[in-house]
Amino acid sequence: AQSVTQLGSHVSVSEGALVLLRCNYSSSVPPYLFWYVQYPNQGLQLLLKYTTGATLVKGINGFEAEFKKSETSFHLTKPSAHMSDAAEYFCAVSRYGNNRLAFGKGNQVVVIP
Amino acid sequence: DTAVSQTPKYLVTQMGNDKSIKCEQNLGHDTMYWYKQDSKKFLKIMFSYNNKELIINETVPNRFSPKSPDKAHLNLHINSLELGDSAVYFCASSHQDRLYYNEQFFGPGTRLTVL
Repeated sequence: AQSVTQLGSHVSVSEGALVLLRCNYSSSVPPYLFWYVQYPNQGLQLLLKYTTGATLVKGINGFEAEFKKSETSFHLTKPSAHMSDAAEYFCAVSRYGNNRLAFGKGNQVVVIP
Repeated sequence: DTAVSQTPKYLVTQMGNDKSIKCEQNLGHDTMYWYKQDSKKFLKIMFSYNNKELIINETVPNRFSPKSPDKAHLNLHINSLELGDSAVYFCASSHQDRLYYNEQFFGPGTRLTVL
């Protein structure tokens, strides 16, 4: 079974500073990895995904993530935080032949002016 | 154009009542899901249907009954509502074909409050 670990439920970052959200996964087969963002009172929106190929993936709103198989990680970064980045971020893992998305517990990002 | 829509957006009701939440997707997907998000934002899969067939049925009370009249619709009916049912319920959809890697598209959510 797949699982995801996201440490630190609340993450505070200064406007203009680096955003770094950590995600580690567990999967016995090659994973499909996703980052979703949830703005207040809204549904989940896909930020980016890794399925195959290039391990550095770019998403919307300036976010990117790098798949590191040796570290079983898929950390999300953005070089410069903006006030509009304040939201809940979820890492999720799936695999071929399985409909399930296993979600992490989420990180609430607070951007400090 | 709304891809995955849910109605209602907010639902406030008394304990013991029966209520339904509706979900529709216009993406042409063949698989739909219901998730429950609790007050700590944790997302838990409840059910999944593929072409109207139930394929995921997690351990949820049997007061919860999903119904899929066609592959574009998945409704959730809840009997005898309890305080602990208060949560945000999300509908999602995806292609089951492996070329789509199980990327799921989410609706805006239905906030259920049981008084």
